[in-house]
Amino acid sequence: DAGVIQSPRHEVTEMGQEVTLRCKPISGHDYLFWYRQTMMRGLELLIYFNNNVPIDDSGMPEDRFSAKMPNASFSTLKIQPSEPRDSAVYFCASSFRRINEKLFFGSGTQLSVL
Amino acid sequence: GENVEQHPSTLSVQEGDSAVIKCTYSDSASNYFPWYKQELGKRPQLIIDIRSNVGEKKDQRIAVTLNKTAKHFSLHITETQPEDSAVYFCAASTGTASKLTFGTGTRLQVTL
Repeated sequence: DAGVIQSPRHEVTEMGQEVTLRCKPISGHDYLFWYRQTMMRGLELLIYFNNNVPIDDSGMPEDRFSAKMPNASFSTLKIQPSEPRDSAVYFCASSFRRINEKLFFGSGTQLSVL
Repeated sequence: GENVEQHPSTLSVQEGDSAVIKCTYSDSASNYFPWYKQELGKRPQLIIDIRSNVGEKKDQRIAVTLNKTAKHFSLHITETQPEDSAVYFCAASTGTASKLTFGTGTRLQVTL
């Protein structure tokens, strides 16, 4: 398996634009997580899914952020409109059977909002 | 909810010395404590974990200890090498249905 695949690796956009981050979890994993990493706040959990169903989105900063998982092999995190303070590295991760089992992280998307 | 504090935020050691990173947690029901290593520009990867029914776990040069009474756990790296330089994150969760809460990370620098 190629592991968790994220795209794009880097995204530079202007304030107000829509940004869509993509993730393909490891096949057979039941859980998918979206994390945001910044120097100030470390790794923050934004939202997670279990069997494609969103379970906890309490970490989503505000209504500008939304996430979907239309099937077991694909998830998106969308920011609309984007703001400079959204600049961060966004990681997708998946785990096999339990929420707190070993997390496999993707390579991350470095987002810069100018 | 769970709160995990991690210290120090930065740590510099000479090659061959030991390094210790400490974390405290707030929820006494927490029972799973993993450690992740993130090399510069790379993704976090699990390096070791411990569950609350065990006080210590070792894997070659790394070990994790858990003190449930004091609600803290630590990562110990012996005979440090330059490739140990990275950011290390501790985390805690309260059960099989509970999400992980991460500490803020420790940047370890191993100098020659």
